[in-house]
Amino acid sequence: GENVEQHPSTLSVQEGDSAVIKCTYSDSASNYFPWYKQELGKRPQLIIDIRSNVGEKKDQRIAVTLNKTAKHFSLHITETQPEDSAVYFCAARGNSWGKFQFGAGTQVVVTP
Amino acid sequence: EPEVTQTPSHQVTQMGQEVILRCVPISNHLYFYWYRQILGQKVEFLVSFYNNEISEKSEIFDDQFSVERPDGSNFTLKIRSTKLEDSAMYFCASSSAEKLFFGSGTQLSVL
Repeated sequence: GENVEQHPSTLSVQEGDSAVIKCTYSDSASNYFPWYKQELGKRPQLIIDIRSNVGEKKDQRIAVTLNKTAKHFSLHITETQPEDSAVYFCAARGNSWGKFQFGAGTQVVVTP
Repeated sequence: EPEVTQTPSHQVTQMGQEVILRCVPISNHLYFYWYRQILGQKVEFLVSFYNNEISEKSEIFDDQFSVERPDGSNFTLKIRSTKLEDSAMYFCASSSAEKLFFGSGTQLSVL
């Protein structure tokens, strides 16, 4: 089955700097890659996603890139702000309507 | 904006007891899931449900667990004879075309 690896496990950045989180997946049939933000004690919230037929997607300060050949995808947060502090999870779906397999999460801390 | 709702938000139970966690998925969604998250760890897949039957389940989802859609709106997870290691946050999620949306979770504590 699908296996998703996520790095780093923790990431500390200065406010205004960029943050990059990387994930790799194992199943070449995976076709949909969402990213979730989870604040302490709350539900994971979808922040951006990308389909396998797209290489990059951007939404304001966040962007996601996908390299299908290498089977990895990354989340980029620019101009980080303290409210970006949270745990971020990547996920991959192995086939249409199938289960979403999650990475282990990255604790992002943005220091003023 | 429609949301997945879960009840209760917290459930405390004694080891060996049965619990039922309840979820109301987003109304036009067809795919339903249960995930769990042990404190500080990753979100783990338990089971997916479509067309009134289980479509996929993980190794965690053994005979202790069952799911049901008793009516047109509710989706439940039953855990029989709870164990200490069942203590976790349980998230229900639903999906229509693609995107997965989570409920606010039920924090289960087994004493």
